[in-house]
Amino acid sequence: NSKVIQTPRYLVKGQGQKAKMRCIPEKGHPVVFWYQQNKNNEFKFLINFQNQEVLQQIDMTEKRFSAECPSNSPCSLEIQSSEAGDSALYLCASSLSSYYAEQFFGPGTRLTVL
Amino acid sequence: GDSVTQTEGQVALSEEDFLTIHCNYSASGYPALFWYVQYPGEGPQFLFRASRDKEKGSSRGFEATYDKGTTSFHLRKASVQESDSAVYYCALANNNAGAKLTFGGGTRLTVRP
Repeated sequence: NSKVIQTPRYLVKGQGQKAKMRCIPEKGHPVVFWYQQNKNNEFKFLINFQNQEVLQQIDMTEKRFSAECPSNSPCSLEIQSSEAGDSALYLCASSLSSYYAEQFFGPGTRLTVL
Repeated sequence: GDSVTQTEGQVALSEEDFLTIHCNYSASGYPALFWYVQYPGEGPQFLFRASRDKEKGSSRGFEATYDKGTTSFHLRKASVQESDSAVYYCALANNNAGAKLTFGGGTRLTVRP
């Protein structure tokens, strides 16, 4: 059973709308990752945090994606202006360490952009 | 960049058959290797990890041995059950790349009763 909590489980948006999803990592895990899994089961790393600081992120050249992990609040991933190609399962994972430690995944937020 | 290749996209077996899913990787440095399993409607679940050459990881009857010489981490199980039906992913984490996971394409395992 996932101890990483993601909300909402399903999100439906029209093109151009904002889409926001949240993640509560497993208790005691300071490192949080966001991945996108497309319909072909391909994974794309988006960003990771250690505590509130960004460790690494892809070159979000579209600038439509933003993420944060504020202290004492859920982490969030937001797409400013959704496009059809953003339809995917967005997975949050947490880990005890940024060094080779296993990552534990939540159930994901399935985003559908109409 | 780093990459993981799983040879089999789909595997169909009968209960009690032997399972092998092939995984080969390409990475700079010395990555850690993982196997994850994903059931419908869920996120990937960690199966096990190996961090050094010749180390064997195992869980729930599944096992794989890190082989730096052949850059492989093949998943094996001696006797599969219907409940093992799922998608299996080989992955690596390279500390040079900030420890994010690079996943293979996945192998869908279907076990017939």
